[in-house]
Amino acid sequence: AQSVTQLDSHVSVSEGTPVLLRCNYSSSYSPSLFWYVQHPNKGLQLLLKYTSAATLVKGINGFEAEFKKSETSFHLTKPSAHMSDAAEYFCVVRLTGGFKTIFGAGTRLFVKA
Amino acid sequence: NAGVTQTPKFRVLKTGQSMTLLCAQDMNHEYMYWYRQDPGMGLRLIHYSVGEGTTAKGEVPDGYNVSRLKKQNFLLGLESAAPSQTSVYFCASSFTGPDTQYFGPGTRLTVL
Repeated sequence: AQSVTQLDSHVSVSEGTPVLLRCNYSSSYSPSLFWYVQHPNKGLQLLLKYTSAATLVKGINGFEAEFKKSETSFHLTKPSAHMSDAAEYFCVVRLTGGFKTIFGAGTRLFVKA
Repeated sequence: NAGVTQTPKFRVLKTGQSMTLLCAQDMNHEYMYWYRQDPGMGLRLIHYSVGEGTTAKGEVPDGYNVSRLKKQNFLLGLESAAPSQTSVYFCASSFTGPDTQYFGPGTRLTVL
């Protein structure tokens, strides 16, 4: 069975400091992993995806994530937070080659000036 | 290029009423999806379609029906609304397969 756990419901950082949003997954087979961002009153936008190529994945707006099979993690990072990064972030897992997609509960990122 | 659009943006229904949510995409995508988003639960797939004239059940299909008569449109129907269907509904589309989905802005539905 597949599942995804976002370890923090809220994360607060100061502008210019690093961002770390944590995600652990459970999957019996090789998963595809994604991070989406949702700004207030907007639809979701794909940030990045891992589909069994390079384990370090670079996305849009300076975000990146590293797939660590031994730790079953796919944490999202950014070296320096910007005010515009304040949003809700969703970690998503899908069985490679399959269709069922599992969304995490979300992590809300607050960025302080 | 409007992307994925949803109509209406907001709606309030009384228990037992029916309504249809419309999703339209102008990207010539084959796949379309309906999700619901509830607090603390992420998104859950209601129904999806892999092409014009096809539909399939997702994770939480009960109480909903869908139709994909035209490639660009995906309709979600509630025949008899219940308070448990109060949620934000998102439509999404993708070119081929469920990777890289493009989402609409959402419809906030309240059932009293």
